[in-house]
Amino acid sequence: QKEVEQNSGPLSVPEGAIASLNCTYSDRGSQSFFWYRQYSGKSPELIMFIYSNGDKEDGRFTAQLNKASQYVSLLIRDSQPSDSATYLCAVNNGNQFYFGTGTSLTVIP
Amino acid sequence: DAGVIQSPRHEVTEMGQEVTLRCKPISGHDYLFWYRQTMMRGLELLIYFNNNVPIDDSGMPEDRFSAKMPNASFSTLKIQPSEPRDSAVYFCASIMTGNTGELFFGEGSRLTVL
Repeated sequence: QKEVEQNSGPLSVPEGAIASLNCTYSDRGSQSFFWYRQYSGKSPELIMFIYSNGDKEDGRFTAQLNKASQYVSLLIRDSQPSDSATYLCAVNNGNQFYFGTGTSLTVIP
Repeated sequence: DAGVIQSPRHEVTEMGQEVTLRCKPISGHDYLFWYRQTMMRGLELLIYFNNNVPIDDSGMPEDRFSAKMPNASFSTLKIQPSEPRDSAVYFCASIMTGNTGELFFGEGSRLTVL
């Protein structure tokens, strides 16, 4: 399996703070990159995808990609208690999707 | 659309028994993936199909595991015989070629092997 590494956490941030989640991947041929959110007992749901180097913003979420460093990150601004979940980084090479083990985020009210 | 549908949602069985998990992908999606999720190993890709044909089964852990997709709307993952270490949540996901790359997941089948 292609390696996708994430800090497992748990990561705790106060409400309103910025949460920063990081991911590295081993396959330089990876073409697209995704962040999924998974609430306890639920299935993963897509938050964002990014294909090109740089930043991509969507509301309170910003994904950052650096292919040279094989690094992807997700910033969550103005964190809310409802953001408390496990965040999964995924990479795509062709038609295969590989996931990291996830980072557990807790937003403290 | 109803989304990806998996059954059963929960399965408790005894070691040595056969387990069959079922999945109905979203209509029109031409790729189907089976994943296994555990706390230790996260989401592991087991096998995926394109147009009902198995493309890569290198993630299938042992010969005890097998998967089929007899038609575009149905797939099964079978474990025979089951072992306690097979206890996990098994997810099915589907995607359509050419979309943004979003995998649509079913709600998962939680398997407990005693």
